[in-house]
Amino acid sequence: QKEVEQDPGPLSVPEGAIVSLNCTYSNSAFQYFMWYRQYSRKGPELLMYTYSSGNKEDGRFTAQVDKSSKYISLFIRDSQPSDSATYLCAIREGKLIFGQGTTLQVKP
Amino acid sequence: GAVVSQHPSWVICKSGTSVKIECRSLDFQATTMFWYRQFPKQSLMLMATSNEGSKATYEQGVEKDKFLINHASLTLSTLTVTSAHPEDSSFYICSALTAVGTDTQYFGPGTRLTVL
Repeated sequence: QKEVEQDPGPLSVPEGAIVSLNCTYSNSAFQYFMWYRQYSRKGPELLMYTYSSGNKEDGRFTAQVDKSSKYISLFIRDSQPSDSATYLCAIREGKLIFGQGTTLQVKP
Repeated sequence: GAVVSQHPSWVICKSGTSVKIECRSLDFQATTMFWYRQFPKQSLMLMATSNEGSKATYEQGVEKDKFLINHASLTLSTLTVTSAHPEDSSFYICSALTAVGTDTQYFGPGTRLTVL
């Protein structure tokens, strides 16, 4: 079993839609969770960082951690074409452990 | 703040030659830098961790004699791909760890290497 699993998509939504991106992880001891956004041929950019469980909101983005289910989510409200990118969840356990990434396309 | 640069952004080389990629933290000091490799439509795979002034720690399966890492200063790490072969063609990304705030890694823009 991979330590972090993420559906690669692709996911296509119309502009303005609410997007839900998800990952599952295997080790209940993980505490630090990140979401990165990566545009094509660019390095990842840190979007959200959460510690332990609960929600964290930043503008149109909300990160959610459910430790009981070992499930992490990123919600994007009022999605825009500029949100089209690959979204990578990651867990920090000494080093960063990345999910495969979900490719999102927001159509105008 | 927390900007990481890489040079070059892309490089094409002939098989058998060596290629050096630079990673710089522009506005902070990074005691630790990481090198990742990413194949198309796949996630980032950590290759090695480098600490300033000491030898890099390589992940299992990564040939340290082929991928030479030098962390010469608190703002510069280099990755040299020696005797490159077409299978080394990939997207190489570095990141730098800042101890400010939440020990967050900031990533460079990546270097696309194509070996002919």
